[in-house]
Amino acid sequence: AQRVTQPEKLLSVFKGAPVELKCNYSYSGSPELFWYVQYSRQRLQLLLRHISRESIKGFTADLNKGETSFHLKKPFAQEEDSAMYYCALSSGGYNKLIFGAGTRLAVHP
Amino acid sequence: SAVISQKPSRDICQRGTSLTIQCQVDSQVTMMFWYRQQPGQSLTLIATANQGSEATYESGFVIDKFPISRPNLTFSTLTVSNMSPEDSSIYLCSVEVGDRAGNEQFFGPGTRLTVL
Repeated sequence: AQRVTQPEKLLSVFKGAPVELKCNYSYSGSPELFWYVQYSRQRLQLLLRHISRESIKGFTADLNKGETSFHLKKPFAQEEDSAMYYCALSSGGYNKLIFGAGTRLAVHP
Repeated sequence: SAVISQKPSRDICQRGTSLTIQCQVDSQVTMMFWYRQQPGQSLTLIATANQGSEATYESGFVIDKFPISRPNLTFSTLTVSNMSPEDSSIYLCSVEVGDRAGNEQFFGPGTRLTVL
């Protein structure tokens, strides 16, 4: 079955601390993985995707097929990073997305 | 990119009634998606709507409960029929823009539905 697992509902850190939001997936083919973010009172938006291999707002994520993981990392968290983060898997020919349960990141001053 | 608007932004409805949610995109797109986000939960895909054909529903969702229209390449509606309190959710539409190498889904602001 195709599934995305985000084990942490809430991750609370202090400003300047490293952050790692975990994401594991289950998929029988070649997956496309994404991280979406939803800031307070804003709509859901794409943060980054594994095929781009880019860093956005200091965040990076590496697809590890051996561990079936796509963890999101940032070396130094900022208060403006506080948001809800969703890991998602693209499935099927129409690129429909399967979302994880989401992790709320709270960065404290 | 794509800019998506939804109407209404929120509504409070009585059990047994129906509500139609509209989704408008500022550009022509092939596929539109409808998601549901129940309180405290993640997004779940309801159906994929292609212009000129019937929507494709995911497991657990049926056309009688969630009829969808897609009259043109910039507009779609989702109806939540015969509502019950369990239908209280945020309903979002999204579109995919870009080619295979750089596709991205853009989401609307959502419609917050409360069923009493």
